[in-house]
Amino acid sequence: AQKVTQAQTEISVVEKEDVTLDCVYETRDTTYYLFWYKQPPSGELVFLIRRNSFDEQNEISGRYSWNFQKSTSSFNFTITASQVVDSAVYFCALSRLNNNDMRFGAGTRLTVKP
Amino acid sequence: ETGVTQTPRHLVMGMTNKKSLKCEQHLGHNAMYWYKQSAKKPLELMFVYSLEERVENNSVPSRFSPECPNSSHLFLHLHTLQPEDSALYLCASSLGTGDSETQYFGPGTRLLVL
Repeated sequence: AQKVTQAQTEISVVEKEDVTLDCVYETRDTTYYLFWYKQPPSGELVFLIRRNSFDEQNEISGRYSWNFQKSTSSFNFTITASQVVDSAVYFCALSRLNNNDMRFGAGTRLTVKP
Repeated sequence: ETGVTQTPRHLVMGMTNKKSLKCEQHLGHNAMYWYKQSAKKPLELMFVYSLEERVENNSVPSRFSPECPNSSHLFLHLHTLQPEDSALYLCASSLGTGDSETQYFGPGTRLLVL
């Protein structure tokens, strides 16, 4: 069965702090894809990253970085020097080879206070 | 206009009403999706269309009826809904359904059923 767990329901930080959002997944597939999306108050899910199961190289994009570790089935997301505009709900998702079975975690609500 | 658009953004309807949600994508994609996002629940995939053919129906009640007249437009026809159907309905599109193509989401329609 496919499952995504985001254990942190809500996180609150002060601006400029670093924050890590955890994502743990379960799958029996050897080929799968992991995603992170951001949902600001406007409601739209904004795509952040897609990573396939064969690529464990960590990725950095500006203040965002992702740590993919198959050994612990985790795909954690770190925001460095957080800003108020980072306040949103962040979703981790897991997909099989086709999109018909994309599973989302429950989301982590991040609040960045000035 | 770019990306994925949804109308209306907000909708209030009674249980005996009939209404339709509209989604339009301007990305040249071939697959479109409807998701339901309820409070405190993970996103639930409702329907998947690929090249205008429905390829997934996740045990959605018949009071929800999707329609995909072409690869750019997707509708969700609603009739005799229940209060528990109140949620944010998100539309997404992707290039295809194979190889877990990234899904791009619209802003959603926030539905309230009275």
